Amino acid sequence: AQSVTQPDIHITVSEGASLELRCNYSYGATPYLFWYVQSPGQGLQLLLKYFSGDTLVQGIKGFEAEFKRSQSSFNLRKPSVHWSDAAEYFCAVEVNNQGGKLIFGQGTELSVKP
Amino acid sequence: NAGVTQTPKFRVLKTGQSMTLLCAQDMNHEYMYWYRQDPGMGLRLIHYSVGEGTTAKGEVPDGYNVSRLKKQNFLLGLESAAPSQTSVYFCASSYGLRTGLGDTQYFGPGTRLTVL
Repeated sequence: AQSVTQPDIHITVSEGASLELRCNYSYGATPYLFWYVQSPGQGLQLLLKYFSGDTLVQGIKGFEAEFKRSQSSFNLRKPSVHWSDAAEYFCAVEVNNQGGKLIFGQGTELSVKP
Repeated sequence: NAGVTQTPKFRVLKTGQSMTLLCAQDMNHEYMYWYRQDPGMGLRLIHYSVGEGTTAKGEVPDGYNVSRLKKQNFLLGLESAAPSQTSVYFCASSYGLRTGLGDTQYFGPGTRLTVL
């Protein structure tokens, strides 16, 4: 069965420091992968997605993610974190041929220290 | 465009009561989804719809029913609420590419439901 694991429940980084959020997936076919962000009290917003081509994808707000098939990973990165990046981040994989269904990871909560 | 809207934003129910959550989208999207979000569990799909008049079960459909009578609306019903249904409920919609692959889902702001 398809699954997504985000090993880190909570991460704290200093403002200006680099960030990497981990995501591992289990999926038999070519995965379609997403990162969403949820600010407190809000719905989810798409940061970026991968479904083919270049394994390094750029997203909004200065985020990028790299797809590594050999490691079944799709880690999210940002070179310099801003205080406004504090939020919860979700990795998701799409289930093929099932109406766009997404399987989400458990989420990683990011705190940013001044 | 309002995007995806959800009504109500908050609700408190007693065990056994019923209620309907309304999701509306003004983007002419074909696909719509209902998720629940619980601490430490991410979002789990309850039901979804790939078009007007069609619905399908997701990961956690028990205790919920849905209807998609109009393309822009997707209703989630709880016939007899239980404390285990205390959660935050999110609706989402997507354009609905022919194969449903790589499509962006747009989320509403959520409904916080408490069942006592």
